[in-house]
Amino acid sequence: AQSVTQLDSQVPVFEEAPVELRCNYSSSVSVYLFWYVQYPNQGLQLLLKYLSGSTLVKGINGFEAEFNKSQTSFHLRKPSVHISDTAEYFCAVRKGGSEKLVFGKGTKLTVNP
Amino acid sequence: GAGVSQTPSNKVTEKGKYVELRCDPISGHTALYWYRQSLGQGPEFLIYFQGTGAADDSGLPNDRFFAVRPEGSVSTLKIQRTERGDSAVYLCASSLTRTSMNTEAFFGQGTRLTVV
Repeated sequence: AQSVTQLDSQVPVFEEAPVELRCNYSSSVSVYLFWYVQYPNQGLQLLLKYLSGSTLVKGINGFEAEFNKSQTSFHLRKPSVHISDTAEYFCAVRKGGSEKLVFGKGTKLTVNP
Repeated sequence: GAGVSQTPSNKVTEKGKYVELRCDPISGHTALYWYRQSLGQGPEFLIYFQGTGAADDSGLPNDRFFAVRPEGSVSTLKIQRTERGDSAVYLCASSLTRTSMNTEAFFGQGTRLTVV
C-alpha cells in the first residue's frame, strides 16, 4: 500500500525566510503527487500537483515542489514566507488508475513576525 | 453553490447513537469522495462515488459505516452504533469527473463529529 511520510510535524520560521517542507512517499510504478494547504477552519486547498513532465512544479502563492524519483521525495519550498502562509500542509500521493488519495500526517507551518 | 457544502459543521452524539452527515457537492460534479481526519492525522480515504454508485468503498472501516448518493448529487454518510473512536472530522470532496482524468478534487470544510 502507498504511504506518505512528512518528516516534520511542526516548522516555525520567521517572516521573509525561506522554507522547505519535506515529503517522502513509498515507491510505485506510477504515482501522482500533491500538496494541499489547510488554513484554520477551512477546507483543504490544492497548492500544486505533479502528474508528469517537468519535475519542478510551480503552484499558487509562490510555492513550488520538486519531484525526485530516485529519492522518492516531493519537497515543498517557498523562497520567502509571509505571515499569511501559517497553515497546515499535507502531502498526498495517488497511484495511477486509482481515485484514492493517501495523505501524510501534515506539517504545521508557523510564520512568526 | 460556490463550493462543497457539508452539514452540520459540528455534531455531538452519544455513544451508540446513529448519525448522518450530509455533503452537497459542486453542481455538475460527478465524482464525490469521503475522507476521515482524526486528530493529528492526515485525511484517510473512506469511499468514492462516480454518479450514483459507490465505485470504491475499500476505506470504510467496518459495516457500521455506510454512504449513499441516490440521485448522483447529495451524499449522506451514515454511521450506526457510534463509538468514541469515530470522533473525527469527516471531509467530503467533489470533482468534475474522476480525478484519474486529471481533474481537481475540491474539499468542503468538514463535519466535526464528537462521540461522547
